[in-house]
Amino acid sequence: TQLLEQSPQFLSIQEGENLTVYCNSSSVFSSLQWYRQEPGEGPVLLVTVVTGGEVKKLKRLTFQFGDARKDSSLHITAAQPGDTGLYLCAGGREETSGSRLTFGEGTQLTVNP
Amino acid sequence: DADVTQTPRNRITKTGKRIMLECSQTKGHDRMYWYRQDPGLGLRLIYYSFDVKDINKGEISDGYSVSRQAQAKFSLSLESAIPNQTALYFCATSALGHKETQYFGPGTRLLVL
Repeated sequence: TQLLEQSPQFLSIQEGENLTVYCNSSSVFSSLQWYRQEPGEGPVLLVTVVTGGEVKKLKRLTFQFGDARKDSSLHITAAQPGDTGLYLCAGGREETSGSRLTFGEGTQLTVNP
Repeated sequence: DADVTQTPRNRITKTGKRIMLECSQTKGHDRMYWYRQDPGLGLRLIYYSFDVKDINKGEISDGYSVSRQAQAKFSLSLESAIPNQTALYFCATSALGHKETQYFGPGTRLLVL
């Protein structure tokens, strides 16, 4: 059972357009992370949000954590071809001796010049 | 040099063979993880280890085993490989902390014939 659902799964847009990727769950997470993965490489962390309602900005990327800490969104303004990649959200849960992440299925973004 | 390395990077094997995927890290992190990635399914956790003496099953541990030989080394074994274990396998590490970032290796592409 996938605890985190991302939408859309695939997104192909033109350079300069805006887009939003969603990450939804029925479970509460202690933190929500967004990773970006390029072909032939492992995922690389973009941001971590931990407080319900938190908004973080990273240049043209805006990340938001839902008030109830069950969902998140990633908004990209004026997308560029260099934004092309697989975007993964991951929810963090605390365990007795550490935390573990549950990943969404990923959103494959293609930005065409 | 890369902080998290995986060997081999690519492997083709036959059904029933035993294979081992190795992961080494120079980040000094206590926590290590093994994931598999399949198209449309994101990253799924196979096993994780919070320190050398700690091994935990993830969501899809059947058919896999692990060994934490040292703080820096975490190996994943497929005792008797089967075709549906064909996937991209990632090792990751993290340090103590509730917002811990996971650092991923470059991945091992495994094909089971």
